[in-house]
Amino acid sequence: ETGVTQSPTHLIKTRGQQVTLRCSSQSGHNTVSWYQQALGQGPQFIFQYYREEENGRGNFPPRFSGLQFPNYSSELNVNALELDDSALYLCASSQRQHNEQFFGPGTRLTVL
Amino acid sequence: QQQVKQSPQSLIVQKGGISIINCAYENTAFDYFPWYQQFPGKGPALLIAIRPDVSEKKEGRFTISFNKSAKQFSLHIMDSQPGDSATYFCAAVTGGFKTIFGAGTRLFVKA
Repeated sequence: ETGVTQSPTHLIKTRGQQVTLRCSSQSGHNTVSWYQQALGQGPQFIFQYYREEENGRGNFPPRFSGLQFPNYSSELNVNALELDDSALYLCASSQRQHNEQFFGPGTRLTVL
Repeated sequence: QQQVKQSPQSLIVQKGGISIINCAYENTAFDYFPWYQQFPGKGPALLIAIRPDVSEKKEGRFTISFNKSAKQFSLHIMDSQPGDSATYFCAAVTGGFKTIFGAGTRLFVKA
């Protein structure tokens, strides 16, 4: 059984640029959630995808968007990057009927 | 109302001691309360979780105590070991998907 994987591991962008982060779900999982974790803080819920549609959203602006593909993998896109977007971005997969989430190792995004 | 307040921010415990981390919430719509352990450079890993109709759940050295009327829950780590040194997050889930995390507790277990 393959766990949740994320790519890239690290990324450096400049303010105003756009970024795409990728996540592969754990085998058998059909739901993907994305979180932003600033240094020294707990993860903040961005949104969740189920059946290729956004299923719920946290308090993040529209420049944070996502996609889920038929194989349940997912992308997080962030437009018009700001310095405060620097964080660890975590992806978590789960089965729709279950609360238990399995997290990937994250992508460390630095915005200069 | 969506916040989960976690304390203490950091904790130092002697090897073999008991580590206790506390969390409180306001929103009664939360229906699932997991605890996560996170090591540097890794994503959070689920340790143990509880639903509000249960007052206590134990798995190995880890125990969750849940007080529904007080809207509080806590994690107890018995016989704490240096390998338990990590950051611990409580969380609360509503609607089957929206997970609100506490700010985290950095635990250091002294050998």
